[in-house]
Amino acid sequence: QKEVEQDPGPLSVPEGAIVSLNCTYSNSAFQYFMWYRQYSRKGPELLMYTYSSGNKEDGRFTAQVDKSSKYISLFIRDSQPSDSATYLCAMRDNTDKLIFGTGTRLQVFP
Amino acid sequence: EADIYQTPRYLVIGTGKKITLECSQTMGHDKMYWYQQDPGMELHLIHYSYGVNSTEKGDLSSESTVSRIRTEHFPLTLESARPSHTSQYLCASSEYRTGVEKLFFGSGTQLSVL
Repeated sequence: QKEVEQDPGPLSVPEGAIVSLNCTYSNSAFQYFMWYRQYSRKGPELLMYTYSSGNKEDGRFTAQVDKSSKYISLFIRDSQPSDSATYLCAMRDNTDKLIFGTGTRLQVFP
Repeated sequence: EADIYQTPRYLVIGTGKKITLECSQTMGHDKMYWYQQDPGMELHLIHYSYGVNSTEKGDLSSESTVSRIRTEHFPLTLESARPSHTSQYLCASSEYRTGVEKLFFGSGTQLSVL
């Protein structure tokens, strides 16, 4: 079983929709949770990160961590065509080990 | 903004050839990484370096080798390419910000071995 599970999509939504992207994990030692965005033919770029449980908001993006359920989410409000990309979750415990999800491909159509 | 460069962007090569994928960063980062990414699969760490003269193997077994003679340069070499090496190779460097390690990725090299 993979340590991090992520639905590959694709997820296709109309412009303006609220998007919910999710990952589940099995390792309770994970403490740092990150979301990377990867545009086509580009490398991933860090979008948001959170430490332990709770919510973090940055503009239209909200990252949420529920350690009791081993579940993290990224919400995108008022989605735009420019948000079309693959979104990868990533997690790290208190060592150097960083584990990525497979990524969810999001398509926002006008 | 990330200043990490990978060349070539695309490479199509025959079996048995020796290849070197280049990666350079201008941010002065000590830690650098090589990841392999296949469609629908998670990123797999194949090599990393803590700094000059430091190289470590990652979680994914790889027939490639790396070197770190200069801080800014972290090339990856395949002595004899095979079709199983066909993949996207991503280089990254990192820095710590507010206690979190932030990775900066290059645009990748898409390698096809015929």
